[in-house]
Amino acid sequence: KAGVTQTPRYLIKTRGQQVTLSCSPISGHRSVSWYQQTPGQGLQFLFEYFSETQRNKGNFPGRFSGRQFSNSRSEMNVSTLELGDSALYLCASRPAGTGGIGEKLFFGSGTQLSVL
Amino acid sequence: GQNIDQPTEMTATEGAIVQINCTYQTSGFNGLFWYQQHAGEAPTFLSYNVLDGLEEKGRFSSFLSRSKGYSYLLLKELQMKDSASYLCAVRVGTGGFKTIFGAGTRLFVKA
Repeated sequence: KAGVTQTPRYLIKTRGQQVTLSCSPISGHRSVSWYQQTPGQGLQFLFEYFSETQRNKGNFPGRFSGRQFSNSRSEMNVSTLELGDSALYLCASRPAGTGGIGEKLFFGSGTQLSVL
Repeated sequence: GQNIDQPTEMTATEGAIVQINCTYQTSGFNGLFWYQQHAGEAPTFLSYNVLDGLEEKGRFSSFLSRSKGYSYLLLKELQMKDSASYLCAVRVGTGGFKTIFGAGTRLFVKA
């Protein structure tokens, strides 16, 4: 079974631009979460989607948005990029609805975003 | 608010035992996870605790005390390949769950 796939692997943008990141979860997984990882902050929760609905959201500005499609693939968009948005963006999927250890996350390799 | 604390860095010797502690203050606790992340790679699942006590899986064990908001990850017979970051994470919420992470503990295993 293929793992979580994130594209692109690396991205370089300039301030003020917008960016869209893509995530394909493991087949059969209905929940997709997004995290921002920086050296000092660790993994910061952005949002979680299940069956095309956002179920939870972290403390990020409205410039960060996402969506999930009917095939469970998800996209994350960041508008009006700032230097501080430079980070590794990780996507994680899980089967959902199983509870307990079934809540463990399967991560993609991430998209490394650099904002110049 | 939600808060998870763990040491920033630890160093241990190959073949030794190391314990990585994690304390948390969260609401709606629904389980604690440990993940391992090698540099430049994705985090991978190590262990899960939802009830108090010790869970053992090979060289790795994880302990949870819900009343104290405390967990630890125990790594035995350390190997060089265990050099990585170890992330403590808590599943929180009622209705709308989310998994929040500590900043991670970087473990250096020396020969």
